Amino acid sequence: AQRVTQPEKLLSVFKGAPVELKCNYSYSGSPELFWYVQYSRQRLQLLLRHISRESIKGFTADLNKGETSFHLKKPFAQEEDSAMYYCALSGHSGGSNYKLTFGKGTLLTVNP
Amino acid sequence: NAGVTQTPKFQVLKTGQSMTLQCAQDMNHNSMYWYRQDPGMGLRLIYYSASEGTTDKGEVPNGYNVSRLNKREFSLRLESAAPSQTSVYFCASSDNRGFNQPQHFGDGTRLSIL
Repeated sequence: AQRVTQPEKLLSVFKGAPVELKCNYSYSGSPELFWYVQYSRQRLQLLLRHISRESIKGFTADLNKGETSFHLKKPFAQEEDSAMYYCALSGHSGGSNYKLTFGKGTLLTVNP
Repeated sequence: NAGVTQTPKFQVLKTGQSMTLQCAQDMNHNSMYWYRQDPGMGLRLIYYSASEGTTDKGEVPNGYNVSRLNKREFSLRLESAAPSQTSVYFCASSDNRGFNQPQHFGDGTRLSIL
């Protein structure tokens, strides 16, 4: 079974402060992890994924297999970062199929 | 290139009514998904279709049926709507040839059951 835990439902920071959104996972195989973002009343969109090892909009995330974590970080938060963030894990669902399991999301608010 | 298109965007139903939510993608993706999004619950998978001609239950399939009409289209049907099905419904698609392929989402359908 695969599970994704985002321990914080809400996170509020001030503009310019560092931000870290936590994500822990449980999966018996080798995971592929993603962060999705949903701005107010918009569709979910991919923010970044583990395999790409990229920085998008100043955000980075490092997979820590020892701690089974994939925390999302940004050194200086901006007001436009206010959104709902979902961590997701891609795992095997049988045969050659894979499916995403989402965490419950963290609502980030960046205050001016 | 529209990506994933969902119709309708909003709908209000009375308890017991039926309706079908439509989803189409133009990215030639093999896999398609239906999720519901509820406050504090995140996204929960209702049904998915790994490829044309196949469908499988997700985490919360009760009260729903799906049809993978062709490679482009994947519809979700509520046969007898209940207030507990009030939610925002998202359709998504992915190229499922590899486990690291991201999913692409539609704009969602806001459904209210009175």
